[in-house]
Amino acid sequence: GAGVSQTPSNKVTEKGKYVELRCDPISGHTALYWYRQSLGQGPEFLIYFQGTGAADDSGLPNDRFFAVRPEGSVSTLKIQRTERGDSAVYLCASSPIAGGGPTQYFGPGTRLTVL
Amino acid sequence: EDKVVQSPLSLVVHEGDTVTLNCSYEVTNFRSLLWYKQEKKAPTFLFMLTSSGIEKKSGRLSSILDKKELFSILNITATQTGDSAIYLCAAGGTSYGKLTFGQGTILTVHP
Repeated sequence: GAGVSQTPSNKVTEKGKYVELRCDPISGHTALYWYRQSLGQGPEFLIYFQGTGAADDSGLPNDRFFAVRPEGSVSTLKIQRTERGDSAVYLCASSPIAGGGPTQYFGPGTRLTVL
Repeated sequence: EDKVVQSPLSLVVHEGDTVTLNCSYEVTNFRSLLWYKQEKKAPTFLFMLTSSGIEKKSGRLSSILDKKELFSILNITATQTGDSAIYLCAAGGTSYGKLTFGQGTILTVHP
């Protein structure tokens, strides 16, 4: 596709449920990032993948959050036992190579609402 | 802890006005400073700055970085209603471009 795509665009779930959020990066981009944006705030880094491996997961808030990228392309962010505080827009970004040179291109995000 | 602070948090102007948005940063192993425009959900890339004192320009938008004073500004001249958006500043540190974002400046341009 032309850009980064994310599905679903909106997800409403109940407290305690499990959710999966999907990211399709730009074809050929090896670096993939997940961010979380709460209302009125800038995006906050969660995890970075270079290829299939999570090279930095220091931004994941706790062990309820997990992300995978098994074939080095599509990534899934998984949240177990969701809490109301998890409500936010989850943004995915990709970059052609890792490093501070090429910019990161963002997807439209998934708005997660935990009731 | 890495930190990026933007000011003002919000700004209301009329079409034709010129605005200056500010961004200060404290980031370990700083590599680059990026500006994004966010209208709905996806931040869209505006500029990336890596060198001090070199202005980057795109139409009515321009930006400059001061690595000594650790700040950047984004200027928009002759504002239009379509410039209304949240403007995000992000600093890239580490070798793989992890971005630390500011909280954003909400710009509203009235006709």
